Amino acid sequence: DTGVSQDPRHKITKRGQNVTFRCDPISEHNRLYWYRQTLGQGPEFLTYFQNEAQLEKSRLLSDRFSAERPKGSFSTLEIQRTEQGDSAMYLCASSEGEQPQHFGDGTRLSIL
Amino acid sequence: GESVGLHLPTLSVQEGDNSIINCAYSNSASDYFIWYKQESGKGPQFIIDIRSNMDKRQGQRVTVLLNKTVKHLSLQIAATQPGDSAVYFCADEDTGRRALTFGSGTRLQVQP
Repeated sequence: DTGVSQDPRHKITKRGQNVTFRCDPISEHNRLYWYRQTLGQGPEFLTYFQNEAQLEKSRLLSDRFSAERPKGSFSTLEIQRTEQGDSAMYLCASSEGEQPQHFGDGTRLSIL
Repeated sequence: GESVGLHLPTLSVQEGDNSIINCAYSNSASDYFIWYKQESGKGPQFIIDIRSNMDKRQGQRVTVLLNKTVKHLSLQIAATQPGDSAVYFCADEDTGRRALTFGSGTRLQVQP
């Protein structure tokens, strides 16, 4: 069990650019989640997949955000036309059955 | 919307003492509760969970208490160690949903 892996760990980009993050869940976990965390706050739910199906999306997930999990394994989160307010830690978690969600160490996004 | 909140933003204890971190939740439909520990630069780490059909659950040096009547959750850490210093989050999951709702966290500082 290698844990949830996220790449890159840090991303610095200019406002208006597109960014893509990757998450590799714990092997054989069928559920995968994306959260966003700003400084001093708890994580906020963005979206969740069961296998390849995206089952729930938060209203925080504006039309500039899109997430995919094409083969039911790894997932990508893309942000288009980044804005200053997108600066945050983007966390991925995975789970199986009724087990708790296990988190990766996140991708920290900084918008210049 | 409804949220999970915490009573104290910072808790300072002496090494070897017991720590108690409290959390209030407001969603009466919540049926699953989790405590996470988050160290600087890392993702939330699962500590212990409890379902709404229980009022107490024990792990190694940790105990979670759930009082559904007053919608209160607490995390007790026995013989607190310097390595316990971190931010602790409670989170809840609504019946039928998979999204976790987090509070803003309590920072635990352990004085040697």
